[in-house]
Amino acid sequence: AIRMTQSPSSLSASTGDRVTITCRASQGISSYLAWYQQKPGKAPKLLIYAASTLQSGVPSRFSGSGSGTDFTLTISCLQSEDFATYYCQQYYSYPPEVTFGGGTKVEIK
Amino acid sequence: EVQLVQSGAEVKKPGESLKISCKGSGYSFTSYWIGWVRQMPGKGLEWMGIIYPGDSDTRYSPSFQGQVTISADKSISTAYLQWSSLKASDTAMYYCARFRQQLPRDAFDIWGQGTMVTVSS
Repeated sequence: AIRMTQSPSSLSASTGDRVTITCRASQGISSYLAWYQQKPGKAPKLLIYAASTLQSGVPSRFSGSGSGTDFTLTISCLQSEDFATYYCQQYYSYPPEVTFGGGTKVEIK
Repeated sequence: EVQLVQSGAEVKKPGESLKISCKGSGYSFTSYWIGWVRQMPGKGLEWMGIIYPGDSDTRYSPSFQGQVTISADKSISTAYLQWSSLKASDTAMYYCARFRQQLPRDAFDIWGQGTMVTVSS
């Protein structure tokens, strides 16, 4: 099974900061990677798919990059509503086998 | 509006059975794979398995194979997750989610609101 490792597991940042979260796959997954945002008590929300494609309605301050084994989610100018936990997810495997990263909690400094 | 609406919270005793549901609307329910995801209290997301409502083709995560059953009734656009004998360790929030495209090799773009299952004696 493909393992997804996110880092850091948590970070503290201030409004207006640039934030970067990384996700590493245990083997190459091309660009079969998504990023989600989850707020407490809510379902995850899709932010980015295919490693770098912004989901409709998601603010442009979110961006994704990478391919193969190393991926990055960047929030260019952190807003108050961005404090949440972020997860990466690979969907390269076939027959289908989805794997999520362990999550990165973005907290207010 | 495309949405998935899940059944309400459940409180059960160890050993009891349970079936929770996920009803799709606003799209062709039989054309998109649906997945189930577990989130234990304070923990991350775990993929449990997927089903294609069109023909009930089902795939399970090795971690959940034999522990749960995923099914669907396309006549009422509803997917199900069921347990025959619950354990305390099944206490978690369970989400259903739809794959973004009509193949099970994509991100989940639509999520249900979650069903909290509490198993306690």
